[in-house]
Amino acid sequence: EVQLVEYGGGLVQPGGSLRLSCATSGFTVSSKYMSWVRQAPGKGLEWVSVIYSGGMTYYADSVKGRFTISRDNSKNTLYLQMNSLRVDDTAVYYCARADYGGPGYYFDYWGQGTLVTVSS
Amino acid sequence: QSVLTQPPSVSGAPGQRVTISCTGSSSNIGARYDVHWYQQLPGTAPKLLIYGNNNRPSGVPDRFSGSKSGTSASLAITGLQADDEADYYCQSFDRSLSGVVFGGGTKLTVL
Repeated sequence: EVQLVEYGGGLVQPGGSLRLSCATSGFTVSSKYMSWVRQAPGKGLEWVSVIYSGGMTYYADSVKGRFTISRDNSKNTLYLQMNSLRVDDTAVYYCARADYGGPGYYFDYWGQGTLVTVSS
Repeated sequence: QSVLTQPPSVSGAPGQRVTISCTGSSSNIGARYDVHWYQQLPGTAPKLLIYGNNNRPSGVPDRFSGSKSGTSASLAITGLQADDEADYYCQSFDRSLSGVVFGGGTKLTVL
């Protein structure tokens, strides 16, 4: 059974850092595209970042240069290092596994989400 | 503003049919990237509803269907039920942004 469990969220001051983790089971994280998607309170979904199976990474313009996605194949875990956090980074952060069959990709499994609050 | 445009809300009575539109551009849906749909029940994570424009994952009822034409896509829900009340999001890929894009979401109310 595929499972994704995020942890590491919490309250952080503007300008601070936080590292989110997503522990996975039921598949090999290095064989799939893996993404982070966030949702600000009362708002819609916003894609944050992806790491391809080959290791290439891409970011939304809103987080480029501040966030870093990575994975630990030995622990089957995905990470999101978030630096220079801003108030508008406040959101529930979801870890999502991606799959593809045609042009582009979609998210077939999601974690339960972890809340990041950036406030002074 | 979201790259993909959805109506903020739709509603329908139990048993009725509703559709939710998703309008993009020549750099995403019109560039032949697939459209996917998610259902998000209150307080829960999104769930994949339709992938590859018109495919249902195992366990999704055939009351849900998707279509795509040109720079737009639609999600249709027939035989509305009370537990269909949720937020629905479309998603595609944008070649100009080199990333995934979502619609702003549509809140479905079952009257």
